[in-house]
Amino acid sequence: DVVLTQSPVSLSATLGQPASLSCRSSHSLVHSDGNIRLDWFQQRPGQSPRRLIYYVSNRDSGVPDRFSGSGSGTDFTLRISRVEAEDVGVYYCMQYTHWPHTFGQGTRVEIK
Amino acid sequence: EVQLVESGGGLVQPGGSLRLSCAASGFTFRTYWMNWVRQTPAKGLEWVANIDPDGRVESYVDPVKGRFTISRDNAKNSLYLQMNSLSGEDTAVYYCLAGSAKWGQGSVVTVSS
Repeated sequence: DVVLTQSPVSLSATLGQPASLSCRSSHSLVHSDGNIRLDWFQQRPGQSPRRLIYYVSNRDSGVPDRFSGSGSGTDFTLRISRVEAEDVGVYYCMQYTHWPHTFGQGTRVEIK
Repeated sequence: EVQLVESGGGLVQPGGSLRLSCAASGFTFRTYWMNWVRQTPAKGLEWVANIDPDGRVESYVDPVKGRFTISRDNAKNSLYLQMNSLSGEDTAVYYCLAGSAKWGQGSVVTVSS
């Protein structure tokens, strides 16, 4: 199975400052169709996960533009340009290039 | 408004069975790959099974193969997960997903005597 390793495990962020979350894959996530099927999710306390980014760098409708995704091959990053209080939660990357689809273990973001 | 509403969770004894349902609305259900994902504090998020839009192709993760069956009824905009031979390892919150963008609120399954 593809293992996604997220770092850091937890992050104490400063309001208004940037934050960077990493997701590294044990295998290349380039699909045979040329796409990289890597999404990012945010899970706020007590809520279901919500997709923020799909196909590495495409922001979902309604997602603030302070969130951005980048990466290629096996290394991916979710960036928050200016952390806000509502960004507290756990962030997961997920790949669906290979079966079984797999999630990273998550990065917990809290406010300093 | 897109909605996915799971039902059918609860407490079941080891070795027992449970059937989860997911009622979909607000989008064209019959065009989406549908999925079940579960979450536990210990293991995090785990993909369980998925099914193609026509209901002809099913995939399962190894821990549930031969015990769980995913199915759908496009006429009823509904997704199902039949879970048999349940064990404590299956205790989790089960989410219904349309593609990867749309998630239900989750249904709690507890396997315990």
